[in-house]
Amino acid sequence: GQQVMQIPQYQHVQEGEDFTTYCNSSTTLSNIQWYKQRPGGHPVFLIQLVKSGEVKKQKRLTFQFGEAKKNSSLHITATQTTDVGTYFCAYGSSNTGKLIFGQGTTLQVKP
Amino acid sequence: DGGITQSPKYLFRKEGQNVTLSCEQNLNHDAMYWYRQDPGQGLRLIYYSQIVNDFQKGDIAEGYSVSREKKESFPLTVTSAQKNPTAFYLCASSLGLGNNSPLHFGNGTRLTVT
Repeated sequence: GQQVMQIPQYQHVQEGEDFTTYCNSSTTLSNIQWYKQRPGGHPVFLIQLVKSGEVKKQKRLTFQFGEAKKNSSLHITATQTTDVGTYFCAYGSSNTGKLIFGQGTTLQVKP
Repeated sequence: DGGITQSPKYLFRKEGQNVTLSCEQNLNHDAMYWYRQDPGQGLRLIYYSQIVNDFQKGDIAEGYSVSREKKESFPLTVTSAQKNPTAFYLCASSLGLGNNSPLHFGNGTRLTVT
């Protein structure tokens, strides 16, 4: 069935380094959403990508949706300690419409 | 301010007891969801509801029950039949069911069963 794999599972970076997490699907996705969960907190919606090849930016965060709509990435430029948390991609099931989450990438930033 | 309220934040129960987790939203959202989060396993869908008086099983519904008698409320009962109930439970809502509606999450309830 439809599923996504999110990589890497964990990433440790030095403050100021860049960070990228990838979400890869075996099938075409209609859209993809990204969420951030701070340690001890709840997931917070960041952005939704709908169009093939779409690129959106939020300050130091850059989100991309692949041309084939089978993969997506979140890139953070010059990480800060406030970027610490787990980043999830999520997509809508083609059968039921419900949102299905990837496993998440947990980012640690060393000051 | 509109939002989703989950209570309590921490809950402790003895094995064999049923426990009900509260979820209330004042966002006027039609759809509501319950997710379970375990370390390293992301978010797994327990139950969801598209509209009042209707709900559907998610991927891991066994040992859980829900009700949706009011638009604002979607309580989750963890029954004694749930084999591994200790987890972080997240309630969420969205405008409607469908992959264009972002989810708004509550702060979660951390349930510990001993």
